[in-house]
Amino acid sequence: EDQVTQSPEALRLQEGESSSLNCSYTVSGLRGLFWYRQDPGKGPEFLFTLYSAGEEKEKERLKATLTKKESFLHITAPKPEDSATYLCAAPNAGGTSYGKLTFGQGTILTVHP
Amino acid sequence: NAGVMQNPRHLVRRRGQEARLRCSPMKGHSHVYWYRQLPEEGLKFMVYLQKENIIDESGMPKERFSAEFPKEGPSILRIQQVVRGDSAAYFCASSPRGTDDGYTFGSGTRLTVV
Repeated sequence: EDQVTQSPEALRLQEGESSSLNCSYTVSGLRGLFWYRQDPGKGPEFLFTLYSAGEEKEKERLKATLTKKESFLHITAPKPEDSATYLCAAPNAGGTSYGKLTFGQGTILTVHP
Repeated sequence: NAGVMQNPRHLVRRRGQEARLRCSPMKGHSHVYWYRQLPEEGLKFMVYLQKENIIDESGMPKERFSAEFPKEGPSILRIQQVVRGDSAAYFCASSPRGTDDGYTFGSGTRLTVV
């Protein structure tokens, strides 16, 4: 069964304190690994797609990387406005060829000023 | 350029009533996906629809739940005879074509069954 596991469950940082979130997956024939941000009371907001091991993508203070078994979301010099739940997801290998994502439980990030 | 619109934002139903959740996809998007987020759990896929077709309903509970996406109008997720365990946030996403890649989510409908 496809699984996506995120760690830690929660992370508290001081403003400016860089860190990383982890997403490990067991999905056969990975067709992509996605990162989303979710603010309280809102839907997930798409951040990145990674397709192959070694790939990296950046957006402002965020950088996502992918290996054969896991992905990392690096947060450099975070600000309080980066506080949110960060979700990773992978498409299911079975069923239809697309459209069905397996999400991790998320990491709740809190950045204190 | 409105995003994915879901309504109502909050819905309270008594046990045994019906809940109807609506999703209007982004303009030009003909593919809709519904997910459920139970308290303390992650997002779970429910169903994938194109206009007038159900493509994948492998995540839908076998009873009481149904979904449609008619030629005209929004996609509807219908829950009959709601129970307390149906209380959750229901999210809809849309895309212009069938894709896994970063489709756009709405803000969700929070269903509370009392």
